[in-house]
Amino acid sequence: SALTQPASVSGSPGRSITISCTGTSSDVGGYNYVSWYQQHPGKAPKLMIYDVSYRPSGVSNRFSGSKSGNTASLTISGLQAEDEADYYCSSYKGSSTLAFGGGTKLTVL
Amino acid sequence: QLQLQESGPGLVKPSETLSLTCTVSGGSISSSTYYWGWIRQPPGKGLEWIGGIYYSGSTYYNPSLMGRVTMSVDTSKNQFSLKLSSVTASDTAVYFCARHPRFGEFLKTTDYWGQGTLVTVSS
Repeated sequence: SALTQPASVSGSPGRSITISCTGTSSDVGGYNYVSWYQQHPGKAPKLMIYDVSYRPSGVSNRFSGSKSGNTASLTISGLQAEDEADYYCSSYKGSSTLAFGGGTKLTVL
Repeated sequence: QLQLQESGPGLVKPSETLSLTCTVSGGSISSSTYYWGWIRQPPGKGLEWIGGIYYSGSTYYNPSLMGRVTMSVDTSKNQFSLKLSSVTASDTAVYFCARHPRFGEFLKTTDYWGQGTLVTVSS
């Protein structure tokens, strides 16, 4: 994948986890157009964070995003059972194109 | 509420052309604020952006698929379409149509997704 994510992360209910998304100066590092999506099995992805750190209406404030250099991060605080899902990052990468990360499976222990 | 719905054959033979259409309801495809795109997900794997199209017909494709992908738009029907030629088993995937808010040339994000349709490439 164009963007690198850890294959899996896990955390206990109530704790916090962070998922990283590493790209290059041509994508993540070059633009503030990083997004994060949550995907439950058999469902379409759902937008959770856009423009690095903005939450769409209706998304819990337990979800937050940030970026430093070529790496973006998604933090989920106060983990809940329903947060268990796959998470994907995406970034604008120039010439009106998008790239996705390989995805991270979040397990709530 | 905006809705996107994919339609097309669920089975395509190797070397043939995959064709899908996305029908947009609850909003106009002719808005200057959005690109419209296709994204696919092979079974058990991650997401891959295929390409995007503006209502004027301008297209932007993933370089890895360039040469095999063609997208078109029909504003009178509020639809856009995908054609992927010379398919192989590796093109088997769930295909999603989606909306991309734009700022100038920049695709900012993907805020609405269709439910997805599984296309299997097999003889």
